[in-house]
Amino acid sequence: AQSVTQLGSHVSVSEGALVLLRCNYSSSVPPYLFWYVQYPNQGLQLLLKYTSAATLVKGINGFEAEFKKSETSFHLTKPSAHMSDAAEYFCAVSEDYGGSQGNLIFGKGTKLSVKP
Amino acid sequence: EAGVAQSPRYKIIEKRQSVAFWCNPISGHATLYWYQQILGQGPKLLIQFQNNGVVDDSQLPKDRFSAERLKGVDSTLKIQPAKLEDSAVYLCASSLDHSGIAKNIQYFGAGTRLSVL
Repeated sequence: AQSVTQLGSHVSVSEGALVLLRCNYSSSVPPYLFWYVQYPNQGLQLLLKYTSAATLVKGINGFEAEFKKSETSFHLTKPSAHMSDAAEYFCAVSEDYGGSQGNLIFGKGTKLSVKP
Repeated sequence: EAGVAQSPRYKIIEKRQSVAFWCNPISGHATLYWYQQILGQGPKLLIQFQNNGVVDDSQLPKDRFSAERLKGVDSTLKIQPAKLEDSAVYLCASSLDHSGIAKNIQYFGAGTRLSVL
């Protein structure tokens, strides 16, 4: 069965510092991997997705993530944090059954705080 | 392009009462999802529709939860009777179709925050 583990329920960084949010997945078939962001009182917004093309995926707002099969990881990074990045971030996995879509399985989320 | 619309945004009820949530997906999106997001957790899929048919409702507590998607557009999720543990945010999402990678991009509404007292 597929699953997602996000290490650290809360991460705090200073403005301008590197952001690193960790995600490890478990999947028995090639996965699709996603990062979503959720601002307070809003729905989830897609940041980026991995679909078996390039292992380094660039998303919106300067975020990127690297798929590492050997480590079963898909960590999210941003070189320089901005105050507006404060939000909750969710990693999700979906399995590809040869063209048939699997459902999204979400991690528990990591709340990012950015200090001035 | 209009996003996924949900109403109401907030609802407070007492246990054993019933409640209903409404969702209008992005125009042209064939697939609609309802998720439950309990505080401190990620969203959990309750039910998935493809047009007006149910694709997956394996995690829907069918003794108290029901959902329908008449005419393959709007959808309603109902809880009857509600329990304290149903307090959560209920998110609706939609996606285009099952062809290509676009199938995996789900667009979410702002959700309905339910408090059961």
